[in-house]
Amino acid sequence: DAGVIQSPRHEVTEMGQEVTLRCKPISGHDYLFWYRQTMMRGLELLIYFNNNVPIDDSGMPEDRFSAKMPNASFSTLKIQPSEPRDSAVYFCASQGTVNEKLFFGSGTQLSVL
Amino acid sequence: SQKIEQNSEALNIQEGKTATLTCNYTNYSPAYLQWYRQDPGRGPVFLLLIRENEKEKRKERLKVTFDTTLKQSLFHITASQPADSATYLCALDQTNAGKSTFGDGTTLTVKP
Repeated sequence: DAGVIQSPRHEVTEMGQEVTLRCKPISGHDYLFWYRQTMMRGLELLIYFNNNVPIDDSGMPEDRFSAKMPNASFSTLKIQPSEPRDSAVYFCASQGTVNEKLFFGSGTQLSVL
Repeated sequence: SQKIEQNSEALNIQEGKTATLTCNYTNYSPAYLQWYRQDPGRGPVFLLLIRENEKEKRKERLKVTFDTTLKQSLFHITASQPADSATYLCALDQTNAGKSTFGDGTTLTVKP
């Protein structure tokens, strides 16, 4: 298996633009997580899905952020409109079943100018 | 409020020595605790998982302990090597919470 695949690897955009981050989890995994990592706040959970259904989105900063999982092999995290404070590394992770280890993707480095 | 603290933002040791990293938590009742390694520009990679009813877990040169009374986990790397240099993160998972909360990490540098 290729592991968790995220795209793009790097994204540079201007304030106010829409940004879409993509994730392909490991096949057969039931859980998918979106995390954000910054120097100030560390690794924060934004939202997670179980069997494509959003379970907990309490970590989503505000309404500008939205996430979808239309099927078991694809998820998106969208920021609209983007702001400079959204600059961070965004990680997607998948998990086979509850209370097991997480498999992380390589992350998307987002810079909002 | 809930808090996870990994003591020592940075830890520098000599090759061959044992590195000991700590993870303290407050206002959590974790069912299990995990340790991950993160290299620059990469996502965290799972190392070890220890459950609340386990005191110690080992894997090759790695050892983790879990003391629910002290609310602390210790992570040891014996016979450390420069290749062990990385940031190490602990993560807590509460029973059936379905989500992991991470500490800020400790950056370990092993000097030859």
